[in-house]
Amino acid sequence: GQNIDQPTEMTATEGAIVQINCTYQTSGFNGLFWYQQHAGEAPTFLSYNVLDGLEEKGRFSSFLSRSKGYSYLLLKELQMKDSASYLCAVRDYARGGGNKLTFGTGTQLKVEL
Amino acid sequence: DTAVSQTPKYLVTQMGNDKSIKCEQNLGHDTMYWYKQDSKKFLKIMFSYNNKELIINETVPNRFSPKSPDKAHLNLHINSLELGDSAVYFCASSQGLQGGKVIETQYFGPGTRLLVL
Repeated sequence: GQNIDQPTEMTATEGAIVQINCTYQTSGFNGLFWYQQHAGEAPTFLSYNVLDGLEEKGRFSSFLSRSKGYSYLLLKELQMKDSASYLCAVRDYARGGGNKLTFGTGTQLKVEL
Repeated sequence: DTAVSQTPKYLVTQMGNDKSIKCEQNLGHDTMYWYKQDSKKFLKIMFSYNNKELIINETVPNRFSPKSPDKAHLNLHINSLELGDSAVYFCASSQGLQGGKVIETQYFGPGTRLLVL
């Protein structure tokens, strides 16, 4: 089965750095995604890791350790607009092509002044 | 210019009715998906089609029937709607296999907010 855990809520201050953790226990693994979802909107892609290590993309970085079943999303120089839900998702292949994403329940981040 | 579009955006209906949600992508992707996001914001895959062929069919009541007339469209028909079907339904697409390499990023539509009364 698939089990993906993230904290439910986090609060941080504008300008600060926040780290959102994700642990997973899945029957298959072929990559981990982070998505951002603002209230009432669609999830949007942030980052993807398939190999161990850190991927950096501007203010956002994501880390993966496959042996530990662990990932984190690091957000630097927080802005008010970063207040959103952050979804961790593990990918596994589906028969016939495409891929299957199993999502965690999301971490609701609130950025305060 | 919208990459993945869904209609309608809002759908309010009575229990027992039959309704359809439509999805179209203009990204040239091979694979499309339907997800359900419940009131606790948990996003769960329902179906996936690759080049009009069903490849993922999760444990979903058979009242839900997806249809893909071509690879740019994936519609979802729901029969005999129940209160528990109230949720946001997201369509998504990804490029799928390209030159032997699987391109993974899924792009989501704006969602259809279904309320069953």
